[in-house]
Amino acid sequence: DGGITQSPKYLFRKEGQNVTLSCEQNLNHDAMYWYRQDPGQGLRLIYYSQIVNDFQKGDIAEGYSVSREKKESFPLTVTSAQKNPTAFYLCASSTRLAGVDNEQFFGPGTRLTVL
Amino acid sequence: GENVEQHPSTLSVQEGDSAVIKCTYSDSASNYFPWYKQELGKRPQLIIDIRSNVGEKKDQRIAVTLNKTAKHFSLHITETQPEDSAVYFCAARPSGYSTLTFGKGTMLLVSP
Repeated sequence: DGGITQSPKYLFRKEGQNVTLSCEQNLNHDAMYWYRQDPGQGLRLIYYSQIVNDFQKGDIAEGYSVSREKKESFPLTVTSAQKNPTAFYLCASSTRLAGVDNEQFFGPGTRLTVL
Repeated sequence: GENVEQHPSTLSVQEGDSAVIKCTYSDSASNYFPWYKQELGKRPQLIIDIRSNVGEKKDQRIAVTLNKTAKHFSLHITETQPEDSAVYFCAARPSGYSTLTFGKGTMLLVSP
């Protein structure tokens, strides 16, 4: 195990508070991703980054923000604008090599609960 | 954008039976189709994948088939065991992109 880590494992927040989820990888991957997982909804892409200092919105970016100041790190901030933030959040990373099947490796996840 | 439909949402089988999970995709430009297994409370892990220039791929008890014309692909698990119980996700990736579009998942329950 290892390679891509997320912290904390469990996170509780009060309504109206922003909270930041950590994601770190030591796989030397250029690309990193954030997904949200809800029961019966699969994995939905929030944001992704293919290179340092660049990132793009995924399918459900509203109420979230990210930064990519270092190759190893891709933190996700869940803002108070996110209407229903309680969910399991997964971070992933992959290579960007052309012609390669770019397997995405997932972190262990953070379960966020809004009280 | 890409849309991936996955069926069934739940699948219950007896140990030793076969299990089949089916996915369809919408973007004919998709050329990479991975399957992930997620055990309860754990991270998803890649179990098998297939590229669009291949019709079938096997790895021990697991196989994936792809029909490009019909835009569907399937996961086949033979001789199921209780440890196969998990949620399985299919995904598709269009050529030139690094992002995956996932299906909603299938919960497989293998009873001893």
